[in-house]
Amino acid sequence: AQSVTQLDSQVPVFEEAPVELRCNYSSSVSVYLFWYVQYPNQGLQLLLKYLSGSTLVKGINGFEAEFNKSQTSFHLRKPSVHISDTAEYFCAVSASNTGNQFYFGTGTSLTVIP
Amino acid sequence: EPEVTQTPSHQVTQMGQEVILRCVPISNHLYFYWYRQILGQKVEFLVSFYNNEISEKSEIFDDQFSVERPDGSNFTLKIRSTKLEDSAMYFCASSEASGVLDTQYFGPGTRLTVL
Repeated sequence: AQSVTQLDSQVPVFEEAPVELRCNYSSSVSVYLFWYVQYPNQGLQLLLKYLSGSTLVKGINGFEAEFNKSQTSFHLRKPSVHISDTAEYFCAVSASNTGNQFYFGTGTSLTVIP
Repeated sequence: EPEVTQTPSHQVTQMGQEVILRCVPISNHLYFYWYRQILGQKVEFLVSFYNNEISEKSEIFDDQFSVERPDGSNFTLKIRSTKLEDSAMYFCASSEASGVLDTQYFGPGTRLTVL
């Protein structure tokens, strides 16, 4: 079975500072990895995804993530955050043998402080 | 940009009552999903639906749950007899195709509170 762990439930960071949101997964088969963002009162929006190929994936809004198979991690990073990045961030995994099922982490609440 | 919509945004019900959560997927999408998130816990997959039938479901999706596409636009989740532990945020999603190569688009969620 697959599972996802987001180690930080809340991350406060000052505006224009860098941020890293951590995600670790466990799976016995090949995985596909995703980061979703949820702004207040909105649906989950895909930030980026790793399916294959380059381990460094770039997404929308200046975010990027790196797939590290040996550490089973897929951490999300942004070099300089804005107030508008304040939101809930979810890491998710889908495995090659689980069809359309996504397994999500518990989410990380990012608060950007002016 | 097209989006998935869900109604109501918040539903309060008494234990034992039936509730229907409604979703309008993106119009050209063919695959539909329900997820839920109990407060403070992970977002969990419930069910996927394609061609008017369930294609996958999780252990959570027991006999008290059902899904339906009653017309060409709506996709509903029915909980037949609600329990306190059904209190959660329920997310609907849709995708154009199947599998991870196609993005699932999520709605804003319906917060269900069972008293």
